[in-house]
Amino acid sequence: KAGVTQTPRYLIKTRGQQVTLSCSPISGHRSVSWYQQTPGQGLQFLFEYFSETQRNKGNFPGRFSGRQFSNSRSEMNVSTLELGDSALYLCASSYGTGGADTQYFGPGTRLTVL
Amino acid sequence: LAKTTQPISMDSYEGQEVNITCSHNNIATNDYITWYQQFPSQGPRFIIQGYKTKVTNEVASLFIPADRKSSTLSLPRVSLSDTAVYYCLVGPLYSGGGADGLTFGKGTHLIIQP
Repeated sequence: KAGVTQTPRYLIKTRGQQVTLSCSPISGHRSVSWYQQTPGQGLQFLFEYFSETQRNKGNFPGRFSGRQFSNSRSEMNVSTLELGDSALYLCASSYGTGGADTQYFGPGTRLTVL
Repeated sequence: LAKTTQPISMDSYEGQEVNITCSHNNIATNDYITWYQQFPSQGPRFIIQGYKTKVTNEVASLFIPADRKSSTLSLPRVSLSDTAVYYCLVGPLYSGGGADGLTFGKGTHLIIQP
């Protein structure tokens, strides 16, 4: 069974631009969660989607948004990029409604904001 | 949401047993304890999960005392390839909606030496 895939793997943007990241979960998984990882803050939860509905949201500004499609694929968008948004963005899928249900992570998208 | 505390780093040698302890004083009744392993530039990988007492799988054991305020991940006979960051995660098995997403914390950087 194919794992979680994320595209693109690497991205370079400049301040003020916006970016869209994509995540395809494992086939049959209905929950997708997004995380931001930086050296200083570690792994931080962004949001979780299940059946196209956002079920949880972390403590991030409104510039960070996401959505989930009927095929469970998910996208996250960051508008008006800031230097501090440079990070590894990880997507994880699980079969159930998320929470502590075993999450399978993708390889991540490395975003660099110049 | 239960906060977790782990040592920032640990050192050990090949062939030794390594025990990493996580404190979670405010664990809730419906919370599970899950451990993940992460290598550089990769997404975290599920290791083991438990609710109480002892859980064992092919790679690790998880010890949880009766009060559940802490847990210990035990890695038997470690090798150089076990050098990674280990995260202790506490949360409900199924998300209940709202801002109660999972918190990974900073993790424990385990370094195995030859």
